[in-house]
Amino acid sequence: GENVEQHPSTLSVQEGDSAVIKCTYSDSASNYFPWYKQELGKRPQLIIDIRSNVGEKKDQRIAVTLNKTAKHFSLHITETQPEDSAVYFCAASIRTGGFKTIFGAGTRLFVKA
Amino acid sequence: NAGVTQTPKFQVLKTGQSMTLQCAQDMNHNSMYWYRQDPGMGLRLIYYSASEGTTDKGEVPNGYNVSRLNKREFSLRLESAAPSQTSVYFCASTKGQATIGQETQYFGPGTRLLVL
Repeated sequence: GENVEQHPSTLSVQEGDSAVIKCTYSDSASNYFPWYKQELGKRPQLIIDIRSNVGEKKDQRIAVTLNKTAKHFSLHITETQPEDSAVYFCAASIRTGGFKTIFGAGTRLFVKA
Repeated sequence: NAGVTQTPKFQVLKTGQSMTLQCAQDMNHNSMYWYRQDPGMGLRLIYYSASEGTTDKGEVPNGYNVSRLNKREFSLRLESAAPSQTSVYFCASTKGQATIGQETQYFGPGTRLLVL
C-alpha cells in the first residue's frame, strides 16, 4: 500500500547548525506535502507545506524542497535554535474521490545549546 | 475562539468496555478527522467527515465508529475496547470540503487512552 518513509528517526544538532529531514512517498498521484511540528505533550501544528506544482518554498529559517520525479521531499531548518527541538512529521496527501493523507513516522530533533 | 477541543484528556478502560471520545471545533470548518498516534508510527487516519452528514473510513477504521453530530462536533466511539487501541487520539479539522486533504489541519490537544 501507499506509504511515506521519513529519515532520520532522530537528529541531534548544535545550536546554529542546519537540520535536514527527508521523506519519500510511494503514490505518484500525491499532490500536497505538509510538515507538522509537535512539541512534547502538545498537538501537531503545521509549519510549512508545498504543492506539487512548486519545487521549493521558504518561510524564514524553514524551507521545503520537492522532487516529484524522485518522489521525495525534504525539510531544511537553518540556524537552529533550542526551541526547534520537537518531533517533525512529513505527510503526503492525495484526493482521489475520497481523501487520503499518509504521515511519516516522525523525526525527533534535538538542538543542543 | 478555542479552536479544536477534545474530551476527555485521559482515560483508562478495561478490555471490553466502551467509550466515546468527543471533539468540537468553533472555526466553522467543514471537514473533521480522527487520528491515532502510536510511537514510531506517526499519525494514522481512523475516520473522517468531509462535511456535515457524511463519514468515511480512513487507514485504520476497524474497532471504531464515528458520528458527525452537527457541523461542530465529531465523536469517536470504541464499542469494545482492546489493548491494541491504547494510543493517543487526535481530532482535527480543516476549513474546506472540496479542498479536503489539501490544506492545513488544525489539531485538538489529544486524548490519551489506556486499555488494560
